[in-house]
Amino acid sequence: DVVMTQSPLSLSVTLGQPASISCRSSQSLVYSDGNTYLTWYQQRPGQSPRRLIYKVSNRDSGVPDRFSGSGSGTDFTLKISRVEAEDAAVYYCMEATHWPPYTFGQGTKLQIK
Amino acid sequence: EVLLVESGGGLVKPGGSLRLSCAASGFTFRNAWMSWVRQAPGKGLEWVGRIESKTDGETTDYLAPVKGRFTISRDDSKNTLYLQMNSLKSEDTAVYYCTVDNNWGPGYWGQGTLVTVSS
Repeated sequence: DVVMTQSPLSLSVTLGQPASISCRSSQSLVYSDGNTYLTWYQQRPGQSPRRLIYKVSNRDSGVPDRFSGSGSGTDFTLKISRVEAEDAAVYYCMEATHWPPYTFGQGTKLQIK
Repeated sequence: EVLLVESGGGLVKPGGSLRLSCAASGFTFRNAWMSWVRQAPGKGLEWVGRIESKTDGETTDYLAPVKGRFTISRDDSKNTLYLQMNSLKSEDTAVYYCTVDNNWGPGYWGQGTLVTVSS
């Protein structure tokens, strides 16, 4: 199975400053149809996960535009342009290119200072 | 609005069985591919298995450690997804989430139901 590795595992960012989370896969996530099935989720404390971004850079409905996804092949990044208090959460990347299974990263805990 | 409500969790002894249910509304359930994802206490997310729609063959796939012990099924007449869990082990202790798959992966998530396997 593909291994998804996130870094850092935790980070503390000052309110209003940018944040960046890396996700690396052990194999290329380019599917035979040319698409790359890399997804980002946010899980706030005590809540269910919420999908933020799918296919590397497509924001889900209702996701603020301060969230953006980028990357290709095996290296991907989730960026928050200016963190807000409500962004305190654990963020997970997940690949679906090599399903089954869907494989998640370990998660990155974002704290807001 | 998509709504997924899981039920059936609880405390069960090692080797025991449990069936989880997920009542779905707000979308065309019979056309949806559905997954179960779990999260052990204080840990990350782990996909458990998926069932395709009936029109796509109702194929199921499972995480290797649960294959042969867990079974996903659906009742489209009741808009309900099930997870039958047999031969439960302590490492199956987790919150189990029901999800709707779209855009290649879990898009909508339920609130989860806690399964505790302990003697």
